[in-house]
Formats: sequence, C-alpha cells, structure tokens
Amino acid sequence: EAGVAQSPRYKIIEKRQSVAFWCNPISGHATLYWYQQILGQGPKLLIQFQNNGVVDDSQLPKDRFSAERLKGVDSTLKIQPAKLEDSAVYLCASSRSLTSGNNNEQFFGPGTRLTVL
Amino acid sequence: SQQGEEDPQALSIQEGENATMNCSYKTSINNLQWYRQNSGRGLVHLILIRSNEREKHSGRLRVTLDTSKKSSSLLITASRAADTASYFCATDAPSGSRLTFGEGTQLTVNP
Repeated sequence: EAGVAQSPRYKIIEKRQSVAFWCNPISGHATLYWYQQILGQGPKLLIQFQNNGVVDDSQLPKDRFSAERLKGVDSTLKIQPAKLEDSAVYLCASSRSLTSGNNNEQFFGPGTRLTVL
Repeated sequence: SQQGEEDPQALSIQEGENATMNCSYKTSINNLQWYRQNSGRGLVHLILIRSNEREKHSGRLRVTLDTSKKSSSLLITASRAADTASYFCATDAPSGSRLTFGEGTQLTVNP
C-alpha cells in the first residue's frame, strides 16, 4: 500500500509569513496526526483527527496554528504568522483506528522541514 | 513532563555488536512502542509491547517491559551499519490513543 504523503518536503520562510503543509494519509486510515519535531527531540503531537473531527488539539498553539481535515482524508496544517521557534520538521502520521486497546501503530510520512528566518 | 525518556542519548558500537537502549516513563500505559528514524526521514514502527507482556521478539529485536519499574529496553542483536538511526520509545496511555514520544537514542553502528 502507498505510504503517507507529505508536501512540500522543505520550506524556508521569513518570520511573520504564513505557511501551509499538506498530508495525504494511507487509504482507509481513519486517524490522522500532526507532530512537530524540533531538532534533537522526539515528535510532539499537535493535533489528532478521527475522520474529519478533532480528537485532541490540546498541544496546538491555536493563536497561530490551525489544521483541518474537511473530507476526512487529506489534511492541511497552517502556521500564521510564523515565528523563529517554529523551525522544525512537521510530521504527519495515520493509523487505522482510534480505539484504545487496539494496535495503535502509526505510519509516518517523510515530514516537511520548515526553516523560519 | 516528558512521558518517555531514553538512555543513553547516544550510542556508538561496532558492526556485529549488540545495542541496548532503555526507556523510562512516568504514568500508567496501555502499550509501549519503539520507532526508528533514519536521518531526514519519518518514523518507522518497529515493535509494540502491551502492558501485560514482559518480552517480545521480532527478528533481531528484543523488547522487554517492566511495568513495576516503568521501564522498557530495546535490544538489537548482531547490529549492522544500516541500523544507524535514532530510536524512540512511545507510550500510549489507557485513557486514549495519544502517543507520547521520548527524546530518542542516536545509535551509530560503525562498519
């Protein structure tokens, strides 16, 4: 099966500009995740969708970050305006089911490396 | 606070040797997973161990889980240069499916 697709792979912007990332999960996967991974650290969950609904966005900086998954398939993550500390890799992942107790294996895309100057 | 914490932060070994990485966590878990990340790439799932399991094997990987000590270890036997990557543990709390990742161990296997 095709993996999780993300674009762009790299993005360089200046602070205060806006940027958007796109993710296409594995076909049939109901749950989609966006993570932020700062260099040298583990991924941190930003937002989690189940189909087109938000399950967990407690760690999303909502004053500047937004995400949507309108049709329950593709998703976009937007940052507006960007700050220097937003420089990171943004990873998208998907999994079959949200149900706790099931095998919650997540499949990751290659990520988008964002540099904010 | 960080749920999963790996040690060591970095590990350098020779090809053919075994590599052991440890993970500690703070709260109750539903399961614990290990992921690998090659430089500039996304994470790849390696193995999942449930809270009622103590040991699991997959090829050259062996994972142990000690819930009384809130710790897990990942052993890679007969390492290869291709095993060079960062390894992360991730815990899944009983209350939900959110995975919380540790900071990772950078493994370098020298040919």
